[in-house]
Amino acid sequence: DTEVTQTPKHLVMGMTNKKSLKCEQHMGHRAMYWYKQKAKKPPELMFVYSYEKLSINESVPSRFSPECPNSSLLNLHLHALQPEDSALYLCASSRDREQFFGPGTRLTVL
Amino acid sequence: AQSVAQPEDQVNVAEGNPLTVKCTYSVSGNPYLFWYVQYPNRGLQFLLKYITGDNLVKGSYGFEAEFNKSQTSFHLKKPSALVSDSALYFCAVRDITKNNNAGNMLTFGGGTRLMVKP
Repeated sequence: DTEVTQTPKHLVMGMTNKKSLKCEQHMGHRAMYWYKQKAKKPPELMFVYSYEKLSINESVPSRFSPECPNSSLLNLHLHALQPEDSALYLCASSRDREQFFGPGTRLTVL
Repeated sequence: AQSVAQPEDQVNVAEGNPLTVKCTYSVSGNPYLFWYVQYPNRGLQFLLKYITGDNLVKGSYGFEAEFNKSQTSFHLKKPSALVSDSALYFCAVRDITKNNNAGNMLTFGGGTRLMVKP
C-alpha cells in the first residue's frame, strides 16, 4: 500500500458543529502532517507528528485539535470553526525524504 | 532562512512544445529540492527530487529538473507538453530550521499554474 487516504472527501459544517477528519497510511512512515490549503496557494503546515507525538504546532487555533491514535492514523478534530477555516485540508506522511500527500478533505464552514 | 521562489504565477504553452517552470531557492547548506503537481481538488503528487548526484533529475510523467548550484535554481522541464499536464506545480525545499526526527519539513514556493493549450 503506497498511498495516504483521507476521509471524508467533502465536509460541510456549521460553526457550532464538532467533526473530525481522518487520515491513514500503511507505508510505515513515522512522520505525519496536517496542512491547510486555500485556493491557488501553497499548503500551510499546521501540525507534525513524529513517532506518534506532536512535534510541531504552527500556532494553530485551539479549535483545531490533532490526534495520532497509532502510527498509521492521524485525526484532526474540529470544533467551533469559522467561515475563514473553509479550505482543503491535506494529510501527508514521510519516512525520510519526500512527503506523500493524501487527496484532501474539502471543508466548508457555514 | 529557507525560501523558494516561483517567479511565474502562470505559464502558457502549446501542446507538443517544450515547457519550463522556474524555481529558485535560498537555503543554508546543501539543498534537498522537490517538485509536486496538484490537479484540481486533489492532493499534491510527488514528481521528482534532488538530493545529491547528477544535476539532471528525471521524474514521473516525463518530467525532469535541472539543479544549478551557481544560479540556485531547480527548473522543471518537459520536452513535449501534453494538455493533461495542465495543473498547479509547486517547488519545495527541505526546511532545516524546523526539527523533525522522523521526516523532512518542506517550505513551498507560491506555485505556478501551467496551462497547455491544444
